Amino acid sequence: GENVEQHPSTLSVQEGDSAVIKCTYSDSASNYFPWYKQELGKRPQLIIDIRSNVGEKKDQRIAVTLNKTAKHFSLHITETQPEDSAVYFCAACTSGTYKYIFGTGTRLKVLA
Amino acid sequence: NAGVTQTPKFQVLKTGQSMTLQCAQDMNHNSMYWYRQDPGMGLRLIYYSASEGTTDKGEVPNGYNVSRLNKREFSLRLESAAPSQTSVYFCASRVGTGKGNSLAKNIQYFGAGTRLSVL
Repeated sequence: GENVEQHPSTLSVQEGDSAVIKCTYSDSASNYFPWYKQELGKRPQLIIDIRSNVGEKKDQRIAVTLNKTAKHFSLHITETQPEDSAVYFCAACTSGTYKYIFGTGTRLKVLA
Repeated sequence: NAGVTQTPKFQVLKTGQSMTLQCAQDMNHNSMYWYRQDPGMGLRLIYYSASEGTTDKGEVPNGYNVSRLNKREFSLRLESAAPSQTSVYFCASRVGTGKGNSLAKNIQYFGAGTRLSVL
């Protein structure tokens, strides 16, 4: 069945450094790729998303890149800050199916 | 505008007991979802409802039933709770269909979660 692999499972960076999280999806028909941030004890919240007709999208310090041929997409956080510490989830969704397949999450720790 | 509201926030059950988790959204969304979240396993889809009147199984439907009561409400029922159902449960909704920005229609909004322990 469809699945989304996410790496790494944990990531520690120094404050001010960049962080990159990668996801690979299996369903070539997937066309929507959101990223969610979940702080401890809170609900997941969307931070950025991209559709398959776009290769890159940026929002301030956060960017997502998509490689449809290789079926992978990545989250890039620049100039990391302690408040970026959280668990990040990627997901893939196929238009018309309404189903989202989530990755297993990356715990990001930004060290001050 | 409360968004997605889940009740209860916490629940402790004994093995074999039943309960219903409630979810309501006030955003006029068409699609609603139930997920469970376990350590190291991300969010796994239990059931979803693409639109009012329809429900479909997700990745892990065994031991659960759902009801799309109306457009606003989507409940999840555990008929005979088991320790393996100890988890955090999230409800979510999205626009799904209709006119409007196609990217915005895909965004899922999550409730605050229900932490369930089955002893």
